[in-house]
Amino acid sequence: KAGVTQTPRYLIKTRGQQVTLSCSPISGHRSVSWYQQTPGQGLQFLFEYFSETQRNKGNFPGRFSGRQFSNSRSEMNVSTLELGDSALYLCASSSDREEGELFFGSGTQLSVL
Amino acid sequence: DAKTTQPNSMESNEEEPVHLPCNHSTISGTDYIHWYRQLPSQGPEYVIHGLTSNVNNRMASLAIAEDRKSSTLILHRATLRDAAVYYCILRDLYSQGGSEKLVFGKGTKLTVNP
Repeated sequence: KAGVTQTPRYLIKTRGQQVTLSCSPISGHRSVSWYQQTPGQGLQFLFEYFSETQRNKGNFPGRFSGRQFSNSRSEMNVSTLELGDSALYLCASSSDREEGELFFGSGTQLSVL
Repeated sequence: DAKTTQPNSMESNEEEPVHLPCNHSTISGTDYIHWYRQLPSQGPEYVIHGLTSNVNNRMASLAIAEDRKSSTLILHRATLRDAAVYYCILRDLYSQGGSEKLVFGKGTKLTVNP
């Protein structure tokens, strides 16, 4: 069974640009959640999608958005990039069962110059 | 705010047991205790979880205090590959999949000496 796939693995952007990151969950998983990881703040929850609907959202500005497609693949978008957006962005998928463990991808390392 | 408290770092020698503590004094009756670990340059991976009773799997054991306000992840024989950041988190029993706002905190960085 293929794991969670995130693309691209590395990305370099400049301030003011926008970026789109992609996540393909494990087959059969309908829940996809996104996290931002920085050395100072650790892992922070961005949002979670289930069956194309956002179920929960963390405390991030509106510049951070996401969506999920009918095949459960998800994208997150960050507009008007700031230097502080430099981080590792992780995606995790999960099954529907109550104790469903999270399966994380390797992440996309975003650098904003 | 993190619902769990862990030491920032711990050190162990190879092939010795390691006990990683986690305090969760505000745990509710419907919270599962989950442990994940993150190896360098990788996303976190699931280790183990439990509700009330101690749990064992091929990776580790989880010892849960009787009052559930603390737990300990036990690696029976640490190897160099166990060097990672270990996260203890709480997940609501009634939350499906990853729908809740999971708070990972900073975790415990485990160093394993050869």
